Amino acid sequence: DTEVTQTPKHLVMGMTNKKSLKCEQHMGHRAMYWYKQKAKKPPELMFVYSYEKLSINESVPSRFSPECPNSSLLNLHLHALQPEDSALYLCASSQDWVGTSVFNSPLHFGNGTRLTVT
Amino acid sequence: SQKIEQNSEALNIQEGKTATLTCNYTNYSPAYLQWYRQDPGRGPVFLLLIRENEKEKRKERLKVTFDTTLKQSLFHITASQPADSATYLCALDRTSYGKLTFGQGTILTVHP
Repeated sequence: DTEVTQTPKHLVMGMTNKKSLKCEQHMGHRAMYWYKQKAKKPPELMFVYSYEKLSINESVPSRFSPECPNSSLLNLHLHALQPEDSALYLCASSQDWVGTSVFNSPLHFGNGTRLTVT
Repeated sequence: SQKIEQNSEALNIQEGKTATLTCNYTNYSPAYLQWYRQDPGRGPVFLLLIRENEKEKRKERLKVTFDTTLKQSLFHITASQPADSATYLCALDRTSYGKLTFGQGTILTVHP
């Protein structure tokens, strides 16, 4: 089992709903990430948090709102999503801090939340 | 524009043979390159990292090479087993600041 835990495993929501995805890690990692993966495609970076601060936002629409309450937790708040937002949402963490001159930590991924927007 | 290409969408080999997967990149100068394995319905799992000043890295039956002149990495699985069947992804950091970008992956199937 992965050391990065994501809940829920599956989520079905309507376009007017508000829901949240949760991610937790207890490895002491200081960087956490959200990736989106469509079927038969590679993961695509959405957000990066380092030391609980948002470091990278890959021009993600505002209907996705990340939050990092503490160093172990990462949330992704969802509101007014579209059917094309249906995908596997992956959380990851890494030991190194994004922004160091030699960032080369591997990413530890959770098994994702399978999101379906109806 | 920057591109990462894994030039085989699918690779089928016989058990016991060596699988060789290719990752090519253009318009990057990455300081390192990573390889991940992904099984259906699960998140990617880190396998190996190789830095630009390393020519080769090994871990058990896995070997990775990194040729910054050719802008290519090769990933080898020796004595392949059906359990090695999965999608293998190479990944590069576009900026050295953690923007890890993945290739489209190669689906490896090892037949008994």
